[in-house]
Amino acid sequence: QSALTQPASVSGSPGQSITISCTGTSSDIGNYNLVSWYQQHPGRAPKLMIYEVDKRPSGVSNRFSGSKSGNTASLTISGLQAEDEADYYCCSYGGSSIHVLFGGGTKLTVL
Amino acid sequence: QVTLKESGPVLVKATETLTLTCTVSGFSLSHARLGVSWIRQPPGKALEWLAHIFSNDAKSYSTSLKSRLTISKDTSKSQVVLTMTTMDPVDTATYYCARIQRRFTIAGVVIGYYFDDWGQGTLVTVSS
Repeated sequence: QSALTQPASVSGSPGQSITISCTGTSSDIGNYNLVSWYQQHPGRAPKLMIYEVDKRPSGVSNRFSGSKSGNTASLTISGLQAEDEADYYCCSYGGSSIHVLFGGGTKLTVL
Repeated sequence: QVTLKESGPVLVKATETLTLTCTVSGFSLSHARLGVSWIRQPPGKALEWLAHIFSNDAKSYSTSLKSRLTISKDTSKSQVVLTMTTMDPVDTATYYCARIQRRFTIAGVVIGYYFDDWGQGTLVTVSS
């Protein structure tokens, strides 16, 4: 099973908004509302930012939001801040045969 | 406070078997909604899901690595163990364990699955 498809990089200036896409298939993203997003700073473990497409864990800024349309999920970060600069990974549950898929990761640069 | 900590060898030789242990605290491996997964990340590359295990001992493996992986747990010790056979230099990676939050309907349909807590990771290098 192939990984989910994310852009390799995105960038934005402080205060701006950016959106990272994550494209799968009708067997994973399109079939389940089980997309999650993880932020990873260099040398650190990933951190959960969004789960079940659009839910935010306690403690995560409301500048982070998630959505899904068809086979594509998206993570939007509004009001970009320097500390948002990191790698972001999407993840989808894919059922009993595919199990779990991660995206290839997107490097966010805050200009 | 939930914590997960990976332990195991930092260096293994090609063809050897890798054994990693994830020791958890702050939750029980017998909790019906919780599980533990192993996920790895080669240097500079993306995350790759390897396997998971739940309280009822249900296990699943990555399709591409299934023949090489075994996951097990010792609830009394709060530990989850992953073994990977026939190691190769391409298996050099940081190996993470992560807690899974899972929800499902009475009919068994999964309606929630995500990794809410992660260990710090352990870098395993495979020498040729």
